[in-house]
Amino acid sequence: QQQVKQSPQSLIVQKGGISIINCAYENTAFDYFPWYQQFPGKGPALLIAIRPDVSEKKEGRFTISFNKSAKQFSLHIMDSQPGDSATYFCAASSTTSGTYKYIFGTGTRLKVLA
Amino acid sequence: DGGITQSPKYLFRKEGQNVTLSCEQNLNHDAMYWYRQDPGQGLRLIYYSQIVNDFQKGDIAEGYSVSREKKESFPLTVTSAQKNPTAFYLCASSIQGIQQPQHFGDGTRLSIL
Repeated sequence: QQQVKQSPQSLIVQKGGISIINCAYENTAFDYFPWYQQFPGKGPALLIAIRPDVSEKKEGRFTISFNKSAKQFSLHIMDSQPGDSATYFCAASSTTSGTYKYIFGTGTRLKVLA
Repeated sequence: DGGITQSPKYLFRKEGQNVTLSCEQNLNHDAMYWYRQDPGQGLRLIYYSQIVNDFQKGDIAEGYSVSREKKESFPLTVTSAQKNPTAFYLCASSIQGIQQPQHFGDGTRLSIL
């Protein structure tokens, strides 16, 4: 119930294409879903986050789509650029648990070809 | 600029030796966390602390110990009981009481000699 399943494990996209990464969860108590971007040798950095009261959130070229009934959420990177090549992690947490623990997906390594 | 500083960036441990990884934050965050990152396994929570002088075990606490004597500091000791310590260790922090993203340091890579 605490797992967040992320797919695909790796992804190769042409420059200008759309990158799509999916995550699924089981714990219905989760109510905060961030995505992190990590470059080699660096810590993850928050990219975009969504709460279950909205079905979509867009920030620049990055969009989160959220399907509460299916317990799934996805990250879409529009007009993918070589600089977007990184590992992306989804995560989930429950604001009612009192622990502020994040459950992370296993990551997706994205490579955008020039 | 506020942030999280982890040191050292690279650390080597001999068999049977304890090593301590440093994590300092100047974000005035109450909560701090330690994660272990292995290839293909994502981030796994080792320990977390929501307030000074209090900390809780995460999912993989065996072989690790922490202290939280100051709000800004949350050092992690990898003990000799941790049989597979080679990994990338990440420290994070967040505001307690309000759901906020976790801010991460740039990690310490620990290797066994």
